[in-house]
Amino acid sequence: AQSVTQLGSHVSVSEGALVLLRCNYSSSVPPYLFWYVQYPNQGLQLLLKYTSAATLVKGINGFEAEFKKSETSFHLTKPSAHMSDAAEYFCAVSDGTNAGKSTFGDGTTLTVKP
Amino acid sequence: GAGVSQSPRYKVAKRGQDVALRCDPISGHVSLFWYQQALGQGPEFLTYFQNEAQLDKSGLPSDRFFAERPEGSVSTLKIQRTQQEDSAVYLCASSLETGDYGYTFGSGTRLTVV
Repeated sequence: AQSVTQLGSHVSVSEGALVLLRCNYSSSVPPYLFWYVQYPNQGLQLLLKYTSAATLVKGINGFEAEFKKSETSFHLTKPSAHMSDAAEYFCAVSDGTNAGKSTFGDGTTLTVKP
Repeated sequence: GAGVSQSPRYKVAKRGQDVALRCDPISGHVSLFWYQQALGQGPEFLTYFQNEAQLDKSGLPSDRFFAERPEGSVSTLKIQRTQQEDSAVYLCASSLETGDYGYTFGSGTRLTVV
């Protein structure tokens, strides 16, 4: 069984500040890990994915995430927040079966203040 | 098409009514998933198709839910005798290969049962 815990349902940062969204996972097998972004009334867009290659993964829009097996974490970061980053972010884990059937966290809403 | 298309975007159903939700994946995409997203929560897996074969339906909440993809492209999620707890956003996602983890989501169908 797999699970994802996103710490903090709401995160607020100032424009230009560091963005850090936390994700911890539980998986009985080596996991595949994902971050998605969801804008209002839209579907989810894949930001980045970890599939057992490099532990530091770079994604779109300047985001990156680091897989830390010892901490069972996959936190999402961006050095400098932009107003357009305001959205909901979901972390997801897959055990690699069924072409990536995923278990999602409950999401973190990111607010960016001017 | 360029993206995953879902219709209708919004559906209001009276309790007990049957509904059909359509998903038109990206042309040529082998894998197709349905997820249910309740308000304030992350998506939850419903079912998975590889071409026309439904390989996993473990997430369907009851026998009132039925999904099909008869020609390996368009998929329909049918809910019979809708209940209020069925109110949610239903998301469809597709990916090109069975091992292509991380998929493209549609904008979803928001179902409200009154």
